[in-house]
Amino acid sequence: SQQGEEDPQALSIQEGENATMNCSYKTSINNLQWYRQNSGRGLVHLILIRSNEREKHSGRLRVTLDTSKKSSSLLITASRAADTASYFCATDAGESNYQLIWGAGTKLIIKP
Amino acid sequence: DAGITQSPRHKVTETGTPVTLRCHQTENHRYMYWYRQDPGHGLRLIHYSYGVKDTDKGEVSDGYSVSRSKTEDFLLTLESATSSQTSVYFCAIRKRGPLRGGHGYTFGSGTRLTVV
Repeated sequence: SQQGEEDPQALSIQEGENATMNCSYKTSINNLQWYRQNSGRGLVHLILIRSNEREKHSGRLRVTLDTSKKSSSLLITASRAADTASYFCATDAGESNYQLIWGAGTKLIIKP
Repeated sequence: DAGITQSPRHKVTETGTPVTLRCHQTENHRYMYWYRQDPGHGLRLIHYSYGVKDTDKGEVSDGYSVSRSKTEDFLLTLESATSSQTSVYFCAIRKRGPLRGGHGYTFGSGTRLTVV
């Protein structure tokens, strides 16, 4: 079953603009993670935010978490053509097997 | 990436034949996972392992089996391949860290399997 649901499903912006993607989930979580997938490649871990954190930064990435609304957002500032990829959120509900539940992803296209 | 490789990278097989995909890691991580990725479904967990000979089913385990006889290798077998198993298969490892510390997964490059 799908826990995280990303919004929008697809996003196309001009290079240099900011890109915002959202993720909603259904159950309580231990942490929420964002991954990037370039076409034809495996997923790459970008950032993890714990349930007791509200905001986290990593380079041009900013992630927020609102546990009361069961939602998270990923902001990519000053986008570049190399940011073109699919972005997935995944939630860790704190089960002993560390299983992640995945959303279907947001496809981001950065136009030069 | 982080010592995880999948083989083969691409495979075409006929319906009804058995197929085995291999995931190999070099960093002695305990937890390994097999996912399939299909358009519109994100990643779906097939099976996972939490140690040698310790495996459990995921969300979409029917038609698949796994084995882990060594820490470094996690094998996924399609017992009798069907067209519905045409997909991209990813292996992932979870790096060891503080209990509940929350570490991300590292993924292999994937195996694109086509069942004809």
